[in-house]
Amino acid sequence: GAVVSQHPSRVICKSGTSVKIECRSLDFQATTMFWYRQFPKKSLMLMATSNEGSKATYEQGVEKDKFLINHASLTLSTLTVTSAHPEDSSFYICSASSERVTEAFFGQGTRLTVV
Amino acid sequence: GQNIDQPTEMTATEGAIVQINCTYQTSGFNGLFWYQQHAGEAPTFLSYNVLDGLEEKGRFSSFLSRSKGYSYLLLKELQMKDSASYLCAVKDSNYQLIWGAGTKLIIKP
Repeated sequence: GAVVSQHPSRVICKSGTSVKIECRSLDFQATTMFWYRQFPKKSLMLMATSNEGSKATYEQGVEKDKFLINHASLTLSTLTVTSAHPEDSSFYICSASSERVTEAFFGQGTRLTVV
Repeated sequence: GQNIDQPTEMTATEGAIVQINCTYQTSGFNGLFWYQQHAGEAPTFLSYNVLDGLEEKGRFSSFLSRSKGYSYLLLKELQMKDSASYLCAVKDSNYQLIWGAGTKLIIKP
């Protein structure tokens, strides 16, 4: 199957700083990328959907100015958590898709801890 | 609203068979997926159903009935490594994945 690489896998940052998470599709052109958040023992929650070259569509309740998403190319999307707070600590996962693939392929996930 | 229901937790014995059910109510339907997720890891794809019937893939099978809004994942010859959460997801009319809360499967020796 297709490979989606997410980096970093783990990050610890101080409150008030910003963290950037990268999601790359390595062997197919991802026209759409999804960013999810998952709290312990909870299901995946979609944060936003981004299409290459256009602004991301955010789910209700997700702050656009706090979670900046950029999808500048067909192989790269980034999520930047700005002015991070301890409550932003979570597991963030990206997935990539296109019209040519049936399933969504997931990155390895990023465990963010804000101290 | 859109809703996907699956049991929160199930327990089964190594070597046995277990069936995990999923019912859904979504705006449109473009396929149903089952994913396996181990704690702290990203989900991995198990199966995809878009037509009614049973899809078999090794020890895992998945069934779909679109008229009933129902699917199940059947796991045979359970192994300890099958202990994980199993997520049911449906692609809606916008081709967006809607996720169930997941079923935590505990395998006992």
